[in-house]
Amino acid sequence: AQSVTQLGSHVSVSEGALVLLRCNYSSSVPPYLFWYVQYPNQGLQLLLKYTSAATLVKGINGFEAEFKKSETSFHLTKPSAHMSDAAEYFCAVLVKGGTSYGKLTFGQGTILTVHP
Amino acid sequence: GAGVSQSPRYKVTKRGQDVTLRCDPISSHATLYWYQQALGQGPEFLTYFNYEAQPDKSGLPSDRFSAERPEGSISTLTIQRTEQRDSAMYRCASSGRGGVGETQYFGPGTRLLVL
Repeated sequence: AQSVTQLGSHVSVSEGALVLLRCNYSSSVPPYLFWYVQYPNQGLQLLLKYTSAATLVKGINGFEAEFKKSETSFHLTKPSAHMSDAAEYFCAVLVKGGTSYGKLTFGQGTILTVHP
Repeated sequence: GAGVSQSPRYKVTKRGQDVTLRCDPISSHATLYWYQQALGQGPEFLTYFNYEAQPDKSGLPSDRFSAERPEGSISTLTIQRTEQRDSAMYRCASSGRGGVGETQYFGPGTRLLVL
């Protein structure tokens, strides 16, 4: 069975600083990987996804993530944090094949706080 | 519609009551998912539909939980004889055909509180 671990339930950065949100996954087969963001009172919004093409994936709002198979990681980064990036971020894994091919397994989430 | 909508947005009920949550997916989307998210946790898969078919119910916590999508569009999730442990955010998502790696678009969720 697949699983996702997000290191750090809360991350705090200063505006303009690097954002790094960590995600490690466990899967017996090559996974598809996703990062979602949740703003207050809104639904989950897809930031980016890895589907076995390029290992460096660029998403919306200047975020990117790199799939590293040897480290089973898919960390999310942004070079310069903006106040509007404050939100909760979820990493998720989807395993190909089987009857439940659409089933996502999520990490527990990381709340990002951005200080002025 | 333009996005996935859910109603009600908040529901407070007493233990033992039945509740029904509604999801209206993006109009062209064939596949619909239900997730349950406890406080401080990520969403957990409950069930999904491909049009009106429900191929996977494996995530439903007990037989008190049921879902339907009779016309392949709007879906409802019903919890019978609610218990306090059912308190959570219930999220609905839809995708075009449910293909592997396809983006799931989420609604705003229904926050359920069982007293």
